Amino acid sequence: DGGITQSPKYLFRKEGQNVTLSCEQNLNHDAMYWYRQDPGQGLRLIYYSQIVNDFQKGDIAEGYSVSREKKESFPLTVTSAQKNPTAFYLCASTLRGQLRGQPQHFGDGTRLSIL
Amino acid sequence: EDQVTQSPEALRLQEGESSSLNCSYTVSGLRGLFWYRQDPGKGPEFLFTLYSAGEEKEKERLKATLTKKESFLHITAPKPEDSATYLCAVWVQGAQKLVFGQGTRLTINP
Repeated sequence: DGGITQSPKYLFRKEGQNVTLSCEQNLNHDAMYWYRQDPGQGLRLIYYSQIVNDFQKGDIAEGYSVSREKKESFPLTVTSAQKNPTAFYLCASTLRGQLRGQPQHFGDGTRLSIL
Repeated sequence: EDQVTQSPEALRLQEGESSSLNCSYTVSGLRGLFWYRQDPGKGPEFLFTLYSAGEEKEKERLKATLTKKESFLHITAPKPEDSATYLCAVWVQGAQKLVFGQGTRLTINP
C-alpha cells in the first residue's frame, strides 16, 4: 500500500542533543512538508520541499533543519537551538504543479518529548 | 493575513443528534478548502476537497459545503465512531502551503 511512514513513533531528547525524525513516502509525490502540532492548536508549517535538493522555511523554522537528497525521503532534525521541542510532528506529501490545490497526505506522526 | 477559524472548539452530541461544524476563512486567493479527520495519536486523514462556492461533497454521514467566506461540515445521525478532531485547511494562491484552523473536537456519546 502506498503511504507515508514516519519513525520513530515516540522520541526522547536530552538537553543539548540533536535528534532526527524520519519521513519516507512511496506515493511518488514531489512535495513534502513538516508540521508541528501542539495541544489545542492547528498545524504549523516548519519546512517544505517542492523538489529534490531544494527546500524552503515555513512559519516556524528556527531550531529545525531538513534535507531532501531523495524524492522519497525528507528527514527533519530538531536541533539543540529549539528550546521548546515537545510536540507532535507530522510529515505530509502532495503532488505539485497542479492548477488547483491538492490534498496533502499525512503520516501517523512522531511524538517528541524532553527527558 | 491569511486566516482560518473553526468553531466550536469542542462539541458533544448524543448518538443520532445531527449538527454542523464551521470553518471560516480570510485568504487572498482560495485554491481549495480541505477537511480532515484526526484521531488521537494519528495523522490527519483526508475527507473532502472543495474548490468553488456552492460546491458540496458527501461521504457516509458527512457532508461538506462551501460559500465565499466559510465551509460547513454537516454530520447527520452521528455514531460514536465519528468522534474525532475535524480539521479545516485552505490552500492559498501563491503561498504554496496549507493554512490550518485549530480544529473542532467532536465527541458522540452512545
